[in-house]
Amino acid sequence: DIVMTQTPLSLPVTLGQPASISCKSSQSLVHSDGNTYLSWLQQRPGQPPRLLIYKISNRFSGVPDRFSGSGAGTDFTLKISRVEAEDVGVYYCMQSTQFRTFGQGTKLEIK
Amino acid sequence: QITLKESGPTLVKPTQTLMLTCTFSGFSLSTDGVNVGWIRQPPGKALEWLALIYWDDDKRYSPSLNNRLTITKDTSKSQVVLTMTHMDPVDTATYYCAHSRYSYGYSFDYWGQGTPVTVSS
Repeated sequence: DIVMTQTPLSLPVTLGQPASISCKSSQSLVHSDGNTYLSWLQQRPGQPPRLLIYKISNRFSGVPDRFSGSGAGTDFTLKISRVEAEDVGVYYCMQSTQFRTFGQGTKLEIK
Repeated sequence: QITLKESGPTLVKPTQTLMLTCTFSGFSLSTDGVNVGWIRQPPGKALEWLALIYWDDDKRYSPSLNNRLTITKDTSKSQVVLTMTHMDPVDTATYYCAHSRYSYGYSFDYWGQGTPVTVSS
């Protein structure tokens, strides 16, 4: 099984400041078809998860451009260029290269 | 637009079998590259993937729950059904179904609102 490890688990951020979340997989997420199936989701309090980023760095429809994804192989990062109040919630990485696995989640809060 | 909605019992007893239905609209589960998954979230905890069914009726299950899960689809009714046997209090969670497709890297791009399930005698 592929294990996804996120750091930090808690992320206090000042409004307007950048934020970064790391996600590491226990094995390479490069699929035999050459794609890397790593996505990021946001879950606001009391809401279902919402897709932000797919295939490492592609923003889903309607996602603000302050969200960006990067990485390769086993190391991936989600960055928020300037945190806004509506960004409060839990962020998950998920791999879909082999079955599906979620990270433990990173809780972003405003300082 | 794509929508999904979960339905099923809110309370089940230990050892019973849980059956959840995902009713969707805005897509067909017979379209190449499309699949529907089930994910759960215990109160205050992280998301856990459970099962996936593909457009061609291929199925995948979480290795840790494989022997308790069955996923099926009824394309004509636009429904996916998840069955989980031998329910235990640790299975108390909100259960979500979600849409996924190859063109978006098999990420879960549309989610239902979730249905809460409590396992208690």
